[in-house]
Amino acid sequence: KAGVTQTPRYLIKTRGQQVTLSCSPISGHRSVSWYQQTPGQGLQFLFEYFSETQRNKGNFPGRFSGRQFSNSRSEMNVSTLELGDSALYLCASSPPGAGGNTIYFGEGSWLTVV
Amino acid sequence: GQNIDQPTEMTATEGAIVQINCTYQTSGFNGLFWYQQHAGEAPTFLSYNVLDGLEEKGRFSSFLSRSKGYSYLLLKELQMKDSASYLCAVTRGSTLGRLYFGRGTQLTVWP
Repeated sequence: KAGVTQTPRYLIKTRGQQVTLSCSPISGHRSVSWYQQTPGQGLQFLFEYFSETQRNKGNFPGRFSGRQFSNSRSEMNVSTLELGDSALYLCASSPPGAGGNTIYFGEGSWLTVV
Repeated sequence: GQNIDQPTEMTATEGAIVQINCTYQTSGFNGLFWYQQHAGEAPTFLSYNVLDGLEEKGRFSSFLSRSKGYSYLLLKELQMKDSASYLCAVTRGSTLGRLYFGRGTQLTVWP
């Protein structure tokens, strides 16, 4: 069974550009959530999607957005990039059903903004 | 917000046992996860506790006390490769797909 797959793994962007990151969850998992990890702030929740609907949202500005497709794949977009957006962006997936007892992370996308 | 506290750093020697504590104050608490994260890598799932008690999985065990808002991760027979950050995270019943993370405990295992 394939794990959570994120692309691209590494990317460099310049300030003001926008970026789109992709996440393919584990087969059968319908919940996809996104996190930003920086040395100073730790792991911070961005948003969660379930069945193509945003179910939860963290405290990030509107420049951060996401979506989920009918096959549960998800994308997140950051517009007007700032230097502080440099981080590891992690995607996690979990299966449907109550309890949420298995949440697995992908390898992450390393974004550097210069 | 959710208050999740764990020590910032711990050190131990190979072959020893170490216990990493995590306390939380979370309304609507559902369950608690432990993840291991090596530098430059993604978090790896270690355990999930929803009921009180000890869950053992090889060299790693995790304990939960819901009434005390307390958990610990116990690592036995430490190996150099166990040097990593250990993340405590909780879920709430109202937002099951969302993890609330502590800041992580950086464990260094010395030879």
